[in-house]
Amino acid sequence: EPEVTQTPSHQVTQMGQEVILRCVPISNHLYFYWYRQILGQKVEFLVSFYNNEISEKSEIFDDQFSVERPDGSNFTLKIRSTKLEDSAMYFCASSDWPGADTQYFGPGTRLTVL
Amino acid sequence: AQSVTQPDIHITVSEGASLELRCNYSYGATPYLFWYVQSPGQGLQLLLKYFSGDTLVQGIKGFEAEFKRSQSSFNLRKPSVHWSDAAEYFCAVGPSSAGNMLTFGGGTRLMVKP
Repeated sequence: EPEVTQTPSHQVTQMGQEVILRCVPISNHLYFYWYRQILGQKVEFLVSFYNNEISEKSEIFDDQFSVERPDGSNFTLKIRSTKLEDSAMYFCASSDWPGADTQYFGPGTRLTVL
Repeated sequence: AQSVTQPDIHITVSEGASLELRCNYSYGATPYLFWYVQSPGQGLQLLLKYFSGDTLVQGIKGFEAEFKRSQSSFNLRKPSVHWSDAAEYFCAVGPSSAGNMLTFGGGTRLMVKP
């Protein structure tokens, strides 16, 4: 069964450093999403991406964040200058269509900012 | 704005006992509703979803959920819990006119006593 994959599973970085989180969505899916879950808190939407551009973004997704689909398979989230409060589990998701279609989630990348 | 409430943060049940996890939502139109499960160290796995039609939906692993519009609820049930069901369960609603993102509840952590 096709699945969303994410690398690395755990990333530790120093405050102020740039990190890139990688995702490989399900191959025939067209819509891609990033969510995050700070420890003990709700899963929160960050951004959605379609046709090589951002469709929607939350207020969390500020100028420190960017997304990219550098090739036909990968979808990346970059945090330019990490802050302590960026420590969280980051989930990538993909769907075949927007709207009512199901979003399939990857296993997540745990980001720890020291 | 849409929101989801899961009133129970922790629930403990005995193996073999029945289970009901509560979910209440606030939404301006007919919602699309989802239940996801997160096992320790794993990503979010879709258990079931409601888009329209029959208000009782069946999912994987023997779970079902019932949509009750009058109560704005979408409670998850299982007649007989197995030890492997111990996990965190998330109810989510979306998408909406605000966008394709999912809005998650805070989650319910299920513990299963032998």
